[in-house]
Amino acid sequence: NAGVTQTPKFRVLKTGQSMTLLCAQDMNHEYMYWYRQDPGMGLRLIHYSVGEGTTAKGEVPDGYNVSRLKKQNFLLGLESAAPSQTSVYFCASSYSVSTGENGYTFGSGTRLTVV
Amino acid sequence: AQSVTQLDSQVPVFEEAPVELRCNYSSSVSVYLFWYVQYPNQGLQLLLKYLSGSTLVKGINGFEAEFNKSQTSFHLRKPSVHISDTAEYFCAVSDIGNTDKLIFGTGTRLQVFP
Repeated sequence: NAGVTQTPKFRVLKTGQSMTLLCAQDMNHEYMYWYRQDPGMGLRLIHYSVGEGTTAKGEVPDGYNVSRLKKQNFLLGLESAAPSQTSVYFCASSYSVSTGENGYTFGSGTRLTVV
Repeated sequence: AQSVTQLDSQVPVFEEAPVELRCNYSSSVSVYLFWYVQYPNQGLQLLLKYLSGSTLVKGINGFEAEFNKSQTSFHLRKPSVHISDTAEYFCAVSDIGNTDKLIFGTGTRLQVFP
């Protein structure tokens, strides 16, 4: 099983450029999440989805959009990248917080640099 | 809204010594609690979780944590650490009545020295 796969693993963008980060899971999980990780700030929730066709805002949603058109995929978009969006982005999925034996399953991360 | 405080950003310790990583949470309702570990350049993986029942929870790699409701704490402990335990550790909380997302603490970097 691949688990949670994030694409790409690394990217450098210029300010104002757009891009989409792809997260794919093969575990039939209902819930999917996008977090960003910054030094000294831990993981902060950007957006999440509790099922196909649904999305919701997390703690730091500004500057990002998401879509969950298929159950297995959760896309994170940056319409106009800013240096403040330089970060490591993690995708995660789960059946739910409590019933999944392994809690969240995380991808290996996407390291994004905006110059 | 719930929140998580990890009191130590870094914990240096010598190999084979005991370690405790502290976590306090704030919530107006009952919670589920989790500890995750992140090894360098990897994603997070679940160490252990408290959902209900016994307040002492055992996880992988010899770690354990104790849920203390009166002190709103969920400290992580290991009696004897190894070099391979060097990693970042995250505490996380979820409200029982709102289980669709976890809120993470800022992390504690455990550095084990030989």
